[in-house]
Amino acid sequence: SQTIHQWPATLVQPVGSPLSLECTVEGTSNPNLYWYRQAAGRGLQLLFYSVGIGQISSEVPQNLSASRPQDRQFILSSKKLLLSDSGFYLCAWRDREGPNYGYTFGSGTRLTVV
Amino acid sequence: QKEVEQDPGPLSVPEGAIVSLNCTYSNSAFQYFMWYRQYSRKGPELLMYTYSSGNKEDGRFTAQVDKSSKYISLFIRDSQPSDSATYLCAMSPLPRSSASKIIFGSGTRLSIRP
Repeated sequence: SQTIHQWPATLVQPVGSPLSLECTVEGTSNPNLYWYRQAAGRGLQLLFYSVGIGQISSEVPQNLSASRPQDRQFILSSKKLLLSDSGFYLCAWRDREGPNYGYTFGSGTRLTVV
Repeated sequence: QKEVEQDPGPLSVPEGAIVSLNCTYSNSAFQYFMWYRQYSRKGPELLMYTYSSGNKEDGRFTAQVDKSSKYISLFIRDSQPSDSATYLCAMSPLPRSSASKIIFGSGTRLSIRP
């Protein structure tokens, strides 16, 4: 069966520090991968999505970047965090060919920038 | 105008009540409709999905789609305290191309009082 792993679960980082969040998917190949951010009491904001290795589409210009070095690995990064980067970050994957048409989300990373 | 509108609540009902959650949308290209449930500090999980107008039932949950009115609903019968969560509607056009992204509502926070 397919599983998605996201870590860490919680992170407190000072302003100006770098960030690296990792997401891996198991049990599927060539998935579409997504990074979302959810601010407190707000909806889901799509940050990046990827349809293949090295292929990244950015939805919102910001202080973050994403990379997909392997088929089932998706990384969210920042060189210098801002206070406004605080939020709940969710990785998700979508099966291109299986019966599940929706997204499957990871458990999320709660990032607090102080 | 947002593509998907959802009342954020909060909605508080007594245990055993019937709950009705709703979303409206503006894009007539949406063909695939989903409901996600998100518990506090967790990632959203797919609850139900449907391709067509009409009703789809799964246990205590019924999803209803009215494409002519661009209106979808989720009904929860015999509501339980464990149903307390944020419910997000989501929708997407078909087919499942790389450019076909899922659009989420902002979520309705539901609380079931024992």
